[in-house]
Amino acid sequence: QVQLQESGPGLVKPSETLSLTCTVSGGSISSDYWSWIRQPPGKGLEWIGHIYYSGSANYNPSLKSRVTISIDTSKNQFSLKLNSVTAADTAVYYCARTIAVASMDVWGKGTAVTVSS
Amino acid sequence: DIQMTQSPSTLSASVGDRVTITCRASQSISSWLAWYQQKPGKAPKLLICKASSLESGVPSRFSGSGSGTEFTLTISSLQPDDFATYYCQQYNTYPYTFGQGTNLEIK
Repeated sequence: QVQLQESGPGLVKPSETLSLTCTVSGGSISSDYWSWIRQPPGKGLEWIGHIYYSGSANYNPSLKSRVTISIDTSKNQFSLKLNSVTAADTAVYYCARTIAVASMDVWGKGTAVTVSS
Repeated sequence: DIQMTQSPSTLSASVGDRVTITCRASQSISSWLAWYQQKPGKAPKLLICKASSLESGVPSRFSGSGSGTEFTLTISSLQPDDFATYYCQQYNTYPYTFGQGTNLEIK
């Protein structure tokens, strides 16, 4: 049974880079798409982007200039980098498996990231 | 971006009630729609994909329908575990977008 676990700093300073990693266990990352989604406190869900195991990625244009998603198949991990963060990037960040470039069927538990000095 | 609009934003209902949540897309998305359930402090859970395909393990009281721009999620007989927030999501066009959520609360 595939499981996902996010990891990374819970506090990031404004203008710095948010970096998170998602570790996939119980299955291989070398199939399907792998996504990042975020949820600001008390608000709804925002799709950040996803990456195929080959390394091909798609991003939300609202974040595209600041976001990079990468994948390391040797470690069964994929990562999110969001640069030049502001308080508006404070959110719970989720990683998820995306089946057939479609819906997200397995999610990590989420990790809360606060942007503050 | 395709805008997804859910109604109502909040729904008060009782155990045993039949409830319907509507999701409208700003343009046609064929049947490329998913429904998720989220409880406080938890990750979303996929309930339905491709508008009407129930995920494995999801109770049969949940059902989805629709195509094009209008979709519904129906719970035939509410159970205590169903009180949560529900989101629709389109995956017809990048960027994928979610509805604003429907908070299903106990009356």
